[in-house]
Amino acid sequence: RKEVEQDPGPFNVPEGATVAFNCTYSNSASQSFFWYRQDCRKEPKLLMSVYSSGNEDGRFTAQLNRASQYISLLIRDSKLSDSATYLCVVKRAASGYALNFGKGTSLLVTP
Amino acid sequence: EPEVTQTPSHQVTQMGQEVILRCVPISNHLYFYWYRQILGQKVEFLVSFYNNEISEKSEIFDDQFSVERPDGSNFTLKIRSTKLEDSAMYFCASKESNQPQHFGDGTRLSIL
Repeated sequence: RKEVEQDPGPFNVPEGATVAFNCTYSNSASQSFFWYRQDCRKEPKLLMSVYSSGNEDGRFTAQLNRASQYISLLIRDSKLSDSATYLCVVKRAASGYALNFGKGTSLLVTP
Repeated sequence: EPEVTQTPSHQVTQMGQEVILRCVPISNHLYFYWYRQILGQKVEFLVSFYNNEISEKSEIFDDQFSVERPDGSNFTLKIRSTKLEDSAMYFCASKESNQPQHFGDGTRLSIL
């Protein structure tokens, strides 16, 4: 089983739509969770950390379900500039604080 | 805003040659990382470095690879005897304690 799994998409949505991405992780001992954004051929950039109680940052809402080992990201009122690949990321259980990345979900927001 | 910087942006090397990828982490950061991303695939962890030693490495990081912090600012990844399958984007990252990682914009390594 892959350590972090995501639906690769692509998700094609019109501007203003709401879109949700899901992710599952295999290691129940994982403690820290993130969503990163990656534009084509660029570096991953932190979008938001994911907390157990759920958290929101503007149009973006992240949720964590530890029992199901499931993470989600909701984007409301999509903008053209939201087009990117969204990476679900889990901190590895070992001591170096390294990250395990999902393969990413591709989002294309169209006019 | 401080950035992680990587050089060169693109490196082309003959198979079997050695290559050194360079990174300057953010100045007050203490944890350093190398990742790679083969075209079309996910970002993969290679190695983490703290307090002048490797703190964790993945199964990818075999004897072909080494890391060094030769001075107070640089963090390098050396790949000995490169293979075709080493072609990838290599990302350096750094962080402070209890903070997320910041990534450099990567070095694209092409092995011919």
